Amino acid sequence: GEDVEQSLFLSVREGDSSVINCTYTDSSSTYLYWYKQEPGAGLQLLTYIFSNMDMKQDQRLTVLLNKKDKHLSLRIADTQTGDSAIYFCAETVYNNNDMRFGAGTRLTVKP
Amino acid sequence: NAGVTQTPKFQVLKTGQSMTLQCAQDMNHNSMYWYRQDPGMGLRLIYYSASEGTTDKGEVPNGYNVSRLNKREFSLRLESAAPSQTSVYFCASSEVVGGLAGGPGVNEQFFGPGTRLTVL
Repeated sequence: GEDVEQSLFLSVREGDSSVINCTYTDSSSTYLYWYKQEPGAGLQLLTYIFSNMDMKQDQRLTVLLNKKDKHLSLRIADTQTGDSAIYFCAETVYNNNDMRFGAGTRLTVKP
Repeated sequence: NAGVTQTPKFQVLKTGQSMTLQCAQDMNHNSMYWYRQDPGMGLRLIYYSASEGTTDKGEVPNGYNVSRLNKREFSLRLESAAPSQTSVYFCASSEVVGGLAGGPGVNEQFFGPGTRLTVL
């Protein structure tokens, strides 16, 4: 969706940290989400953050939200080859059923 | 639990043909969704159903119809397929939970494996 933008590709070495960035335009977003899509499969929710939070950590995943700049990032620590996938940023506004997705960032992890 | 299932997995149609994509979920979710995924464009919402008996248009509804047959099933129909409808179609379901102070809750959507449709 044009409301949510991401870079399309990211390549990192195994063991490094990956940072995937996203910008969104709707300041009334309630929740922001990160989904992961593995080849030939549907999307799977990785994590989410409520719009009044700045940071959320969940094991190797850290989500940072800058509401002023409408910028969201996902950091994956100690990236593994199994993390290779497409990562989608998404937002919902007050109509919570209308979820807008970015185009997805294809993460490639090299051994 | 099978989660969200979709049939068929693959389909090739000729321009003008019709077909129905089937979706079912066994998680007792109220909300169900149909998306299409195109290269470089992410997922775009076609239609959704917030509860049994209701359907609403999403971002790209033209050329599609939907039916919420019961709580479990939500079908997507292409009445007269066009090459522009070549895409991967995903069905999803969710139950919004955990709203703070009466506000909206988290909408964790569970996705099916997708249907790859080609219209010639």
